[in-house]
Amino acid sequence: EPEVTQTPSHQVTQMGQEVILRCVPISNHLYFYWYRQILGQKVEFLVSFYNNEISEKSEIFDDQFSVERPDGSNFTLKIRSTKLEDSAMYFCASSQRGLGGDQPQHFGDGTRLSIL
Amino acid sequence: KQEVTQIPAALSVPEGENLVLNCSFTDSAIYNLQWFRQDPGKGLTSLLLIQSSQREQTSGRLNASLDKSSGRSTLYIAASQPGDSATYLCAVRQITNAGGTSYGKLTFGQGTILTVHP
Repeated sequence: EPEVTQTPSHQVTQMGQEVILRCVPISNHLYFYWYRQILGQKVEFLVSFYNNEISEKSEIFDDQFSVERPDGSNFTLKIRSTKLEDSAMYFCASSQRGLGGDQPQHFGDGTRLSIL
Repeated sequence: KQEVTQIPAALSVPEGENLVLNCSFTDSAIYNLQWFRQDPGKGLTSLLLIQSSQREQTSGRLNASLDKSSGRSTLYIAASQPGDSATYLCAVRQITNAGGTSYGKLTFGQGTILTVHP
């Protein structure tokens, strides 16, 4: 069964450094998402992306964050200047359709980001 | 603002029991509700998706119900097995957010940690 793949599985970065998290969504999916889960807390929505632009973003997704689909397969999340509170598990997800509401979102295994 | 709550926070049962996990949400204007399973250190595996127009969905030993008007969903697991041990999350997809149309944002509950012991 097709799956969402994320790399790396674990990223350790010094505070203030830039980090790029990578995702390969399921190939025929058109809608892409990033979520994060701080240890012990709920999974939180960050951003949705369709047709090469952001469709929706949360209050968490400030100017330090950006997303990109640099080619036909990858979807990336960049954090420009990391802070300690960015430490979390970051999940990428994709779905065939966003509007219409009838397609499940499929999640990757996540990237654990640790900021030192 | 949508809030999703899951009860109980944790559940420990002997193998073979039937069990029910509960999910409630505050805003009934939803497209759908999705149940996930999360194993420790792993991603989320989609179990069932119920459209807002549906009352029930079944997959194997799992049955999920939705009562949109009262803001509730239940996940029923029949004949539980040790391999069912995991955290179960529910998430709702809203029709709109504060800025207008919502484009797929899921709002999650905090999960129910299920342990099935042999």
